[in-house]
Amino acid sequence: QKEVEQNSGPLSVPEGAIASLNCTYSDRGSQSFFWYRQYSGKSPELIMSIYSNGDKEDGRFTAQLNKASQYVSLLIRDSQPSDSATYLCAVKGGGADGLTFGKGTHLIIQP
Amino acid sequence: EPEVTQTPSHQVTQMGQEVILRCVPISNHLYFYWYRQILGQKVEFLVSFYNNEISEKSEIFDDQFSVERPDGSNFTLKIRSTKLEDSAMYFCASRERKNQPQHFGDGTRLSIL
Repeated sequence: QKEVEQNSGPLSVPEGAIASLNCTYSDRGSQSFFWYRQYSGKSPELIMSIYSNGDKEDGRFTAQLNKASQYVSLLIRDSQPSDSATYLCAVKGGGADGLTFGKGTHLIIQP
Repeated sequence: EPEVTQTPSHQVTQMGQEVILRCVPISNHLYFYWYRQILGQKVEFLVSFYNNEISEKSEIFDDQFSVERPDGSNFTLKIRSTKLEDSAMYFCASRERKNQPQHFGDGTRLSIL
C-alpha cells in the first residue's frame, strides 16, 4: 500500500516568515512529486513539481526532494495571508499513473 | 490560461439512481483522470484514461463505475447505482504528456440522498 504522510497541522506562521511543509512517502520507486494548494471547498491547484533530488525554486516557493530519505518539502518565503490553505503532497509511484495524495497540511499565515 | 471544466458543479441524486459527471479536459492533453474527495478526507485516485482505454484504476473503481470519452472533447464518469457513500467531490484532471503535472478541474459536488 503506497502511503504519503503529512502533518495535518494547523501550522501557524507569521506573515513575512518562511513556512516549511514536509511530506514522506513509502514507495521507493516513486518518480514524480507535486505540491498542490487547496483552498476550502475548492480544487487542488498545482504549486510545484519536482522530479530529481535537490532543490527547485519558483518565485517564493522552493521544493526539496531527497529520494534516499523518501522526503519532500515545500518552503514558502515571505508568507502572505493569501497563502493560508491546505497544502497537498502528491506522489506518482513507479509504474503508476494516478497520484497518491497525503491528507494535507493546513497552513495559517497570521497577519 | 486553459482550464479543465466540469459540469455540473453540484449534483443531487437519489440513492440507487445513475449519475453522469462530465469533464472537458484541456484541449491538447492526452491523459485524463478522475479523483474523489470525501468531505474532510484526502484526495483519492479513481481511474486514468489514455488512448481511449483505461490505463489504471484503483480499488475504489469497481463495477459500479465506468468512464467514457464519447467525442473529441468530453470525458465522463458514470456511477451506475449510487450509494450514500458515493457522496463526495469528484475532480477531473488532465495532463499533456508523460511526467507532466496533472491539472484539476473545479470539481462536481455529488450528494446522494
